[in-house]
Amino acid sequence: DADVTQTPRNRITKTGKRIMLECSQTKGHDRMYWYRQDPGLGLRLIYYSFDVKDINKGEISDGYSVSRQAQAKFSLSLESAIPNQTALYFCATSGGQGASTGELFFGEGSRLTVL
Amino acid sequence: AQSVTQPDIHITVSEGASLELRCNYSYGATPYLFWYVQSPGQGLQLLLKYFSGDTLVQGIKGFEAEFKRSQSSFNLRKPSVHWSDAAEYFCAVGAGSSASKIIFGSGTRLSIRP
Repeated sequence: DADVTQTPRNRITKTGKRIMLECSQTKGHDRMYWYRQDPGLGLRLIYYSFDVKDINKGEISDGYSVSRQAQAKFSLSLESAIPNQTALYFCATSGGQGASTGELFFGEGSRLTVL
Repeated sequence: AQSVTQPDIHITVSEGASLELRCNYSYGATPYLFWYVQSPGQGLQLLLKYFSGDTLVQGIKGFEAEFKRSQSSFNLRKPSVHWSDAAEYFCAVGAGSSASKIIFGSGTRLSIRP
């Protein structure tokens, strides 16, 4: 099983619908991240979290919200999806200590299409 | 706030030729620097990272990168590319406590000419 699991892997929805992307990890890491990937724009940071009580906005948090339900779970919500939120979304984790400081471990991505 | 610039959108090199991918960063303190690779349809994998010490760092798959503070650069190099190196490459900079906030560049797509 993957260390960082994202569900769903693919989703097509309509404008105005609420969407939740879920991420769970078995790596025991404290830090979790949500990025979106668009062609030509690379990965842009949406939100990141150090623990269940510490959530931080990234570069492009408008239109998104997150919930850290437990150390191992970090969900991304689009309250009212719009077409320009069509993208590939990645969850990532990081241990934040020692030799692995800063190294991100990525899920396989969730492709979201908003019609 | 930190930022990363990868000036080359797409590079094509011949198999066996040398490679250099450029990365420039902006950050007020000594940054944590990373290179990741994304093969088609795949997630991202860490190639190498720099935190401190020797400014020339070695990574996996024969890649290396050199941190040049005076130029705010962290260019990725490989002496001889293989067809399997065709992928997208992302430079990233980490800021804050233990690189807590990690920002990526827009990526460079590498194609290999047979």
